[in-house]
Amino acid sequence: DADVTQTPRNRITKTGKRIMLECSQTKGHDRMYWYRQDPGLGLRLIYYSFDVKDINKGEISDGYSVSRQAQAKFSLSLESAIPNQTALYFCATGNPGSYNEQFFGPGTRLTVL
Amino acid sequence: GDSVTQMEGPVTLSEEAFLTINCTYTATGYPSLFWYVQYPGEGLQLLLKATKADDKGSNKGFEATYRKETTSFHLEKGSVQVSDSAVYFCALSLYPPISNDYKLSFGAGTTVTVRA
Repeated sequence: DADVTQTPRNRITKTGKRIMLECSQTKGHDRMYWYRQDPGLGLRLIYYSFDVKDINKGEISDGYSVSRQAQAKFSLSLESAIPNQTALYFCATGNPGSYNEQFFGPGTRLTVL
Repeated sequence: GDSVTQMEGPVTLSEEAFLTINCTYTATGYPSLFWYVQYPGEGLQLLLKATKADDKGSNKGFEATYRKETTSFHLEKGSVQVSDSAVYFCALSLYPPISNDYKLSFGAGTTVTVRA
């Protein structure tokens, strides 16, 4: 079984809809991240969390919110989706004991029409 | 701020050719450096890493050396295979007191296609 899982893997939605992307991990890491991938831009950090009570904004957090329901679960929400949020979204966990090596989920491809 | 610049793609090679993907970085202090690979339809996987100057990371025939003097971490493989077709990302991570978020800063990615 995969160590970091994301659901759904693909989602098409309409402008203005609320969307939640979910991430679960079995690696036992406290650190979790949400990144967004756009062609030619690499991955950019949306939010990160170091434990259930710790949530921090990344470089592109506007229009997004997150929830850390448990050590193993970290969800990303788009309260009112817009077309320029069409992208590939990755969840990752971080291993502080290995120079911050991060482990990525398979990604969610989101299309906002 | 910290940033990573890697060579633009796409790169198309024949099997058994030599591959180099250039990566340079700008950062305060001494970051850890990584190469991640993304195969079609999959998430990113760590390919190799280096945590201090002159370290050489290696894995699956790929190598990269942390060059502090040129702030570079170029990826090389001597003989590529069709199965090496993927997107390759160079990334860095900083640590306290310079940065408390332990995030990865990524380059734009280089798409590599290897033809049989």
